[in-house]
Amino acid sequence: SQQGEEDPQALSIQEGENATMNCSYKTSINNLQWYRQNSGRGLVHLILIRSNEREKHSGRLRVTLDTSKKSSSLLITASRAADTASYFCATDAVETSGSRLTFGEGTQLTVNP
Amino acid sequence: ETGVTQTPRHLVMGMTNKKSLKCEQHLGHNAMYWYKQSAKKPLELMFVYNFKEQTENNSVPSRFSPECPNSSHLFLHLHTLQPEDSALYLCASSQEGSSLGGGYTFGSGTRLTVV
Repeated sequence: SQQGEEDPQALSIQEGENATMNCSYKTSINNLQWYRQNSGRGLVHLILIRSNEREKHSGRLRVTLDTSKKSSSLLITASRAADTASYFCATDAVETSGSRLTFGEGTQLTVNP
Repeated sequence: ETGVTQTPRHLVMGMTNKKSLKCEQHLGHNAMYWYKQSAKKPLELMFVYNFKEQTENNSVPSRFSPECPNSSHLFLHLHTLQPEDSALYLCASSQEGSSLGGGYTFGSGTRLTVV
């Protein structure tokens, strides 16, 4: 079964607005991570939130985790055109040995100038 | 530059060719991964190496053959590929077993086109 399903699949906003992306997963996790990918490039790690954490901040990023609902959200505040990219959540499941990230299909964010 | 370098950036090969993708990490990580990214599909984990030993082969066809000569280098040898193998191939590394946890560091990928 697929872990990490993002919602929405695509999001288009104006510069300065906030962008919220959601991720749902199915199994128990050690941590959940968010990554960003510019078109045709590799993924860049943004933030990691552990299963015992509920909220985490990094600059303009705010991540929440609700393990009871098996969901997470990524909020980008005061968006910029340079934030245009695909955003992926990835889960490190308890059931797997070692670190094995499973990625969702991603949310394509477009920030219009 | 992320610390994970992949070459080549682009590769076009015929179905009868043999080619290799190379990945090198300068981060001192102990685990390396190959992922395949196709359009409209989630990233698919292909292979995992931990301390040079292959610890996972995610039901990948034998036309893909990984090699990890040391903890800094990872190769993906390709032969008799199919057009549906065209995709972005991403290499990543991480430090497994760290009490702090941590994310993966990805290379920029190799865009492979099989003709």
